[in-house]
Amino acid sequence: GAVVSQHPSWVICKSGTSVKIECRSLDFQATTMFWYRQFPKQSLMLMATSNEGSKATYEQGVEKDKFLINHASLTLSTLTVTSAHPEDSSFYICSARNLGETQYFGPGTRLLVL
Amino acid sequence: DAKTTQPPSMDCAEGRAANLPCNHSTISGNEYVYWYRQIHSQGPQYIIHGLKNNETNEMASLIITEDRKSSTLILPHATLRDTAVYYCIAANTGNQFYFGTGTSLTVIP
Repeated sequence: GAVVSQHPSWVICKSGTSVKIECRSLDFQATTMFWYRQFPKQSLMLMATSNEGSKATYEQGVEKDKFLINHASLTLSTLTVTSAHPEDSSFYICSARNLGETQYFGPGTRLLVL
Repeated sequence: DAKTTQPPSMDCAEGRAANLPCNHSTISGNEYVYWYRQIHSQGPQYIIHGLKNNETNEMASLIITEDRKSSTLILPHATLRDTAVYYCIAANTGNQFYFGTGTSLTVIP
């Protein structure tokens, strides 16, 4: 199957700082990338949908000014958690999809905000 | 996207077939049934998907009922490494995925 990578795999930061997470499709071009968040013992929750070259579409309740998404190329999307606080600590997962294909997920990034 | 319902947990003996059910009674005609699994602390792994016909690949088989209101994922010979949370999703190929709570499968030695 197609390979999606994320970097970093885990990050610890101080409250108030910003954190950038990268999502790359390694062997295919991703016209659409998705960002999910998963809290312990819960399911994945879709945060936003990102189409290459367009502004991201955010799910209800997700603050677009706090979770900045950039999808500037067909192989890279970034999620920046701005002014992170302890409640933003979570497992962030991206997925990527080419036109008409299924979604392939990255390995996830664990964020801990102190 | 259609809502899916799965049992919260299941056990399966190692070497036996694991049959994981999913109800999607409100599925529309152009929505596929996708199956993913998530091993602890990893991203979901794609398993299989189908529209109407039964599908089989190297990982599993997918049986979709004729009315498409339910489906079953079959892992033919479960191993300990198949212990994971299995998610069934009904969605258009172009649409977002909304995950339910899935089925936590435990393969017992």
